[in-house]
Amino acid sequence: DTAVSQTPKYLVTQMGNDKSIKCEQNLGHDTMYWYKQDSKKFLKIMFSYNNKELIINETVPNRFSPKSPDKAHLNLHINSLELGDSAVYFCASSQTIAGTDTQYFGPGTRLTVL
Amino acid sequence: DAKTTQPTSMDCAEGRAANLPCNHSTISGNEYVYWYRQIHSQGPQYIIHGLKNNETNEMASLIITEDRKSSTLILPHATLRDTAVYYCIVSPYNQGGKLIFGQGTELSVKP
Repeated sequence: DTAVSQTPKYLVTQMGNDKSIKCEQNLGHDTMYWYKQDSKKFLKIMFSYNNKELIINETVPNRFSPKSPDKAHLNLHINSLELGDSAVYFCASSQTIAGTDTQYFGPGTRLTVL
Repeated sequence: DAKTTQPTSMDCAEGRAANLPCNHSTISGNEYVYWYRQIHSQGPQYIIHGLKNNETNEMASLIITEDRKSSTLILPHATLRDTAVYYCIVSPYNQGGKLIFGQGTELSVKP
């Protein structure tokens, strides 16, 4: 059983389009995250949600809108895609928002904007 | 910005211990040291964390100096599957799970 899953695994799209990435965790965790890993391999946190409530929003452009319909799901919608949005996006979850709780990462979604 | 400094890359012979250093000279009293690794094309994987005492689990050992300004992750018997980028992260307990990843150390385990 996959603990944290993401769909799609690959996403290729044109500039200006709107796209969504979905994340689901079956661990019963309260907290979920989105991270972005750019071409230089730096991994940066974008958002975190705890019990469907936004906790962290790391100065991400408002073209990015996370949505958490329930504790097990955290989706990422991106409007008006730009070339600089090309990256690998990782979803993660942890039992609580406590820093000492292990974060479990999904396999990533590689987004390519042409 | 990451609050840790790690060597960019290291090699280790298969079966030998891999010792990965991390400098975190500005660490605060409420900050933990976490280690994650990322195997190529996969999501990061938790390894271990500690506050001030040395820690050991089934994957690795974490040695933290008495002044807490540096630490070493030890993989006791490295295998080819341990080839990955290893990230040392310093973060407080109560920052909502925010992990700030630096550049990490690219560990190559060679036969």
